[in-house]
Amino acid sequence: DQQVKQNSPSLSVQEGRISILNCDYTNSMFDYFLWYKKYPAEGPTFLISISSIKDKNEDGRFTVFLNKSAKHLSLHIVPSQPGDSAVYFCAASLPLSTGKLIFGQGTTLQVKP
Amino acid sequence: NAGVTQTPKFQVLKTGQSMTLQCAQDMNHEYMSWYRQDPGMGLRLIHYSVGAGITDQGEVPNGYNVSRSTTEDFPLRLLSAAPSQTSVYFCASREGFWNTEAFFGQGTRLTVV
Repeated sequence: DQQVKQNSPSLSVQEGRISILNCDYTNSMFDYFLWYKKYPAEGPTFLISISSIKDKNEDGRFTVFLNKSAKHLSLHIVPSQPGDSAVYFCAASLPLSTGKLIFGQGTTLQVKP
Repeated sequence: NAGVTQTPKFQVLKTGQSMTLQCAQDMNHEYMSWYRQDPGMGLRLIHYSVGAGITDQGEVPNGYNVSRSTTEDFPLRLLSAAPSQTSVYFCASREGFWNTEAFFGQGTRLTVV
């Protein structure tokens, strides 16, 4: 039972254009969402997060949007750069009582020069 | 500041052998966890700990044991290795189980033959 789903295994965009990575979740109790970026042979690194009380959070070229009614979040990267090529994971956290992070399957982003 | 350190980076085991994957963090984080990454499956939680002396099972705990005798260390033990445990293992730590990001180690690539 996959509670956090990234239905697109891969995405290819041109340098300078927008990259949009999507994530859907099934558990309405999730209250905190995160995006991680992972390069080959390295551990995942934190990118950006959003609390369930917000619908948007921005950090430089990265913006995360949360649509609670649709149980959907997305990560926008504008403009995309070749160095953004990596695997992106979305993750969700349940409230205070557990603290576990549940991850999606990941989306491989390729940004072409 | 080393962050989260995992050893070894690579390991080959024979079926039935046991071993311990080491994880240490120097950030005084209460919350630590172990994930495995498999193609198309994302990061799946094996075991986690909310503090010294307290551990609990994640999504895929079978075949693994953990203990948390200190805040810094969270070793993962494979009791009797099986080919299905061939994977990349990541240890993560988090300041608490409120809304903070998790920091990951570099990973251990384990092959069971």
